Amino acid sequence: EAQLLASGGGLVQPGGSLRLSCAASGFTFGSYAMNWVRQAPGKGLECVSAIGTSADSTFSADSVKGRFTISRDNSKNTLYLQMNSLRAEDTAVYYCAKRSTNTWYTPFDYWGQGILVTVSS
Amino acid sequence: EIVLTQSPGTLSLSPGERATLSCRASQSVSSSYLAWYQQKPGQAPRLLIYGTSSRATGIPDRFSGSGSGTDFTLTISRLEPEDFAVYYCQQYANSPRDTFGQGTNLEIK
Repeated sequence: EAQLLASGGGLVQPGGSLRLSCAASGFTFGSYAMNWVRQAPGKGLECVSAIGTSADSTFSADSVKGRFTISRDNSKNTLYLQMNSLRAEDTAVYYCAKRSTNTWYTPFDYWGQGILVTVSS
Repeated sequence: EIVLTQSPGTLSLSPGERATLSCRASQSVSSSYLAWYQQKPGQAPRLLIYGTSSRATGIPDRFSGSGSGTDFTLTISRLEPEDFAVYYCQQYANSPRDTFGQGTNLEIK
């Protein structure tokens, strides 16, 4: 069964940087599109970044464009989210999520456990 | 952006009752691209329904989905204690600009 294990969260000051990682196992990582989805405390779900099976197809929501960069290393079965210029409103639990096929037009069938990012001075 | 509006915000029911959750889209969504998720406190969302009406692997048949165009429904035929959670609809027709509804909190009455 597919498993996703996120790491790299924590407390960071406004304007700081963090890199999240998501280690995948139990499936052929390179064959699936992947996403980062976040959930602010007590709030709903927001797709922040997406990446296709190859690293040349990426997307970032307007709320993080120019600050967050999604990438993947298919040889290491790992998804990344580089977060720069962090703001208080980026405070959230971040989930990595697997699409059910190699395209973006499918639901998320597996999710990581979630990793908390807190932006505060 | 396709905005999804879920209603009600909170639904209070008892085990054994039938639950009907609504998701309305700001523009028409192909039925192939509408999903429902369940989220319990401290857990990641779990895929329940995709393509409006197809149950994900391992999802019991008391969960069903229906709808078309801008109006979609998740029905839980007989509530079990483990069904009390928050439910989200998602459209992936506009991927990668997927959007989620704000959620319906299904609570025990």
